[in-house]
Amino acid sequence: GEDVEQSLFLSVREGDSSVINCTYTDSSSTYLYWYKQEPGAGLQLLTYIFSNMDMKQDQRLTVLLNKKDKHLSLRIADTQTGDSAIYFCAELRSSNTGKLIFGQGTTLQVKP
Amino acid sequence: EAGVVQSPRYKIIEKKQPVAFWCNPISGHNTLYWYLQNLGQGPELLIRYENEEAVDDSQLPKDRFSAERLKGVDSTLKIQPAELGDSAVYLCASSPGWESGTDTQYFGPGTRLTVL
Repeated sequence: GEDVEQSLFLSVREGDSSVINCTYTDSSSTYLYWYKQEPGAGLQLLTYIFSNMDMKQDQRLTVLLNKKDKHLSLRIADTQTGDSAIYFCAELRSSNTGKLIFGQGTTLQVKP
Repeated sequence: EAGVVQSPRYKIIEKKQPVAFWCNPISGHNTLYWYLQNLGQGPELLIRYENEEAVDDSQLPKDRFSAERLKGVDSTLKIQPAELGDSAVYLCASSPGWESGTDTQYFGPGTRLTVL
């Protein structure tokens, strides 16, 4: 199928780590992205990873890519209440089409 | 640097009326995208422009939707006539092109359309 799959909801305590998972379908995908969407706002780019990498770290964010299993994860260290939002993963199917395929989003709830 | 600008932010219309959305991409970004985001879903591509040329409009319902980017900068997306099922958020995005290295897409705040 063409779907990018994400779990719908994750709840964590402030200060804990959050791990949001995503599975994608196209082994030829070149880039994979994580976007954050707060209520009533557009999508904010958080980070991305090239398909020949297996890990990328950017401050509190760590992206892990398992290309064999087509599995992508986003770890947020020391999760804060301001991290509460919907997180979308997206795969770029082919670099010459620019077509991003998004998952349905994971709602992250951070409890104080 | 200013981000992607969209207007209006909200629009409420009655069914069968026309509606138009406007997008100004990030300066220097040649590629512009319109996405549709239904409630509880991720965005879905409607149309992609390279400069003024629509290079992928396969997902645009052409019976009622149209788009233009006449001078290769700003773009408008129009629906005529609107139907109840068109209620959604319409997102515009732009990207700089592969010359920059990644062609990452940056999104505007969206226009939330409600059709009554």
